[in-house]
Formats: sequence, C-alpha cells, structure tokens
Amino acid sequence: SAVISQKPSRDICQRGTSLTIQCQVDSQVTMMFWYRQQPGQSLTLIATANQGSEATYESGFVIDKFPISRPNLTFSTLTVSNMSPEDSSIYLCSVDSGGDTQYFGPGTRLTVL
Amino acid sequence: AQKITQTQPGMFVQEKEAVTLDCTYDTSDQSYGLFWYKQPSSGEMIFLIYQGSYDEQNATEGRYSLNFQKARKSANLVISASQLGDSAMYFCAMREGPSGNTPLVFGKGTRLSVIA
Repeated sequence: SAVISQKPSRDICQRGTSLTIQCQVDSQVTMMFWYRQQPGQSLTLIATANQGSEATYESGFVIDKFPISRPNLTFSTLTVSNMSPEDSSIYLCSVDSGGDTQYFGPGTRLTVL
Repeated sequence: AQKITQTQPGMFVQEKEAVTLDCTYDTSDQSYGLFWYKQPSSGEMIFLIYQGSYDEQNATEGRYSLNFQKARKSANLVISASQLGDSAMYFCAMREGPSGNTPLVFGKGTRLSVIA
C-alpha cells in the first residue's frame, strides 16, 4: 500500500491570494492525480501529473489557475491561484498502486473568504 | 451520460443489519475496474474494495462485498453487520482501460446513516 501525506491539512485564505498544496508519497509512482471536491459534491479530476512532463488538465481546469509541479517520483504540488470563494473545496491527491487500488491523501480543506 | 450512477442519495440501516448501496456504470471498454470508497466527515477517502472487469468472483473484504453483475453493469456494495462507525458517504468509482495509471470517475455518492 502507499502512504500519502498532504500539507496543509486545512487553510483559510483571502480572495486573490494563492495557496500551494503539497503531496508526498512513500514510494515512487508514475502518475499522481489531483481531485477537487466542492462542498456536498463528488470528486472531480483536476489534472494528472506525470514526472518529467507537463500535467494533463481536465476540461474546465487550466494551468494558469491550477499550476502543478512534479519534480520527482514521490512528490507533487498543486497551486490554487488568485482564489475566490468558489475555490473553497477539499483538494485531494491520489496514486495508483498496482492497478487494483488507488490511494488518496488525507485532503486539504480550503476555505476562501 | 453519467459514467457512474448512484441512485440513493441517502440510506438508513439498523445497527447489525446488512445494507446494499447501488452503483451502475457505463463504459464501452472491455477492461475496467470498479472501486468503492468511504468518506467520513473528516474528508479522507478510504479505499474499501475493488472489482476488475475480468474477475469472475465477487470481491470481498471483511464485512464488505461487491455484488458484480457485468451484464447489468452494476457493482453494488454490500455491508454486512452494520456498525455505527459505518455512517459516512460512500462513493462508487470506475477506472476505464487496463492501465492502473488512469484516474477514477466517481459517482455522486450515497450517505449512509447507521441507527442504533
């Protein structure tokens, strides 16, 4: 199994500012996935981060708003830029572990005022 | 069309009883995987059980079992002997294709409440 940590676990931010969320895995993985869960909603994929290449974004998500870094096989960051209250969500990273399991980090609960 | 459909927004079950949470899926891929996750109020996503499209037997993990009916494209989660700690949101999800390095598509979830 993979153990995933995320920082910060929660934050309250002012609109117009940016927050960088870190995701650390205890083993090397090819792909890391970033999801957003808006209040009362299900999970929506933001982007897929592959080490050594640009992240692949889903429809409705753009790099300028959600820049992602993937400097090595165990670490990734997601930045939420120029935040508005609509960005208030739980942000989760996940990794695949052998195809039959996908593990999630504990999530970052973001509130934008 | 939705890829994963969970038709029960909320369910109630008596403690120690069994409960079935429904999930239907839509894919044209022959190889795919189906997952169930539990999300308590803390927000973490806890992996419960996995079923591969080529698995002939239903998956089981402790008190969790997956009732996989391929022809009907359903993958219902059965929780036996419900406990108060089972109260949470439950999400069904699918990975399309044979590769493990593929993101998941989630249903809207079912909120399960276990009553003492």
